[in-house]
Amino acid sequence: EAQVTQNPRYLITVTGKKLTVTCSQNMNHEYMSWYRQDPGLGLRQIYYSMNVEVTDKGDVPEGYKVSRKEKRNFPLILESPSPNQTSLYFCASSLSRRTGYGYTFGSGTRLTVV
Amino acid sequence: SQELEQSPQSLIVQEGKNLTINCTSSKTLYGLYWYKQKYGEGLIFLMMLQKGGEEKSHEKITAKLDEKKQQSSLHITASQPSHAGIYLCGADVTPKTSYDKVIFGPGTSLSVIP
Repeated sequence: EAQVTQNPRYLITVTGKKLTVTCSQNMNHEYMSWYRQDPGLGLRQIYYSMNVEVTDKGDVPEGYKVSRKEKRNFPLILESPSPNQTSLYFCASSLSRRTGYGYTFGSGTRLTVV
Repeated sequence: SQELEQSPQSLIVQEGKNLTINCTSSKTLYGLYWYKQKYGEGLIFLMMLQKGGEEKSHEKITAKLDEKKQQSSLHITASQPSHAGIYLCGADVTPKTSYDKVIFGPGTSLSVIP
């Protein structure tokens, strides 16, 4: 089944403890992106990647890192999480930037930083 | 204010009734996407519109992009409980460039009462 897989689905952590949220897609998509979703603010892009080893900042990149060493994987790294990073995170992929098919989204990771 | 606005913010309808959700952009839309999100879960791609006046349908859901390409409407005919969820519009607001930014509206929450 074609899908984007995120792990974990739920995570509670403490301030300052490094964490990684994994994202993997099995559709050979070039483009991958991370979003966070907050009430009243909608979806905001954190980072995106046009292809392997090509990443760039979205609208809210502060406090996050990403890497794209393989086409299928695009992990999101929080080096020192803070409570304002408590949010619902989504990974998305698409064949290319303008495919007409939209993005395929993962199921989301609900992160709580205490 | 947000670049992409949706109205209404929330909607409660009786099963069988028709409804319309609007998405308005402050910029010209070069591509407009509609997604559905079940509460706390990932987004499911519904359809994409690119040309002014374009209209697409999927089952009982019809979306249209207006001629001036700054507004889209999503119409559901004879609503069913399975239509309940959050509907988000996403938009390409930059002309053809090496990177096309997709922004998202805040979403419209739809509840369908049996």
